[in-house]
Amino acid sequence: IAGITQAPTSQILAAGRRMTLRCTQDMRHNAMYWYRQDLGLGLRLIHYSNTAGTTGKGEVPDGYSVSRANTDDFPLTLASAVPSQTSVYFCASSPGTGSTGELFFGEGSRLTVL
Amino acid sequence: GQNIDQPTEMTATEGAIVQINCTYQTSGFNGLFWYQQHAGEAPTFLSYNVLDGLEEKGRFSSFLSRSKGYSYLLLKELQMKDSASYLCAVSDSNYQLIWGAGTKLIIKP
Repeated sequence: IAGITQAPTSQILAAGRRMTLRCTQDMRHNAMYWYRQDLGLGLRLIHYSNTAGTTGKGEVPDGYSVSRANTDDFPLTLASAVPSQTSVYFCASSPGTGSTGELFFGEGSRLTVL
Repeated sequence: GQNIDQPTEMTATEGAIVQINCTYQTSGFNGLFWYQQHAGEAPTFLSYNVLDGLEEKGRFSSFLSRSKGYSYLLLKELQMKDSASYLCAVSDSNYQLIWGAGTKLIIKP
């Protein structure tokens, strides 16, 4: 039982480089989300997708892009990484659209931008 | 603006009871969630309240008062494995989750 798989688990990246964080779910959930978690702050939504083929901007979308070509995959791309993007990134999914149900989280991707 | 407040850190003794409070101010309300997050791990779902009152689930209970913008998570018979951060989150009028910064709970023997 995989649930949500994120890759890489951890990455150190030079500023200015492009990076894609991968997220795959095998639960056939409609909605998927990308959050970042920083010390002392709550989880902040970067982008979301209510269903395959659609995406939306969250609270902190600048510098990030996403795509949802199919139900299972929801990659997050940093076009040109900056040190302020150092964070732990969590991908999550939920069966329905909108936050009325339980979120299932991946194990997280720890990204350090130098 | 939208705001979720919860204490930064709490300490309790193994076997005791602890109450973690959460107050919120959001544009609309479509439910309140509690999640548990052990250090270095992903958050996992604990409870969901949309109506006023107490929801009990084993050693954990969650209470909601919508008129007061207030919730608490009650943990009974504390165990060492309960040492974790507890995250409060509110679903707003757009069904977006607004998250508190979390309460780190330290359990001492």
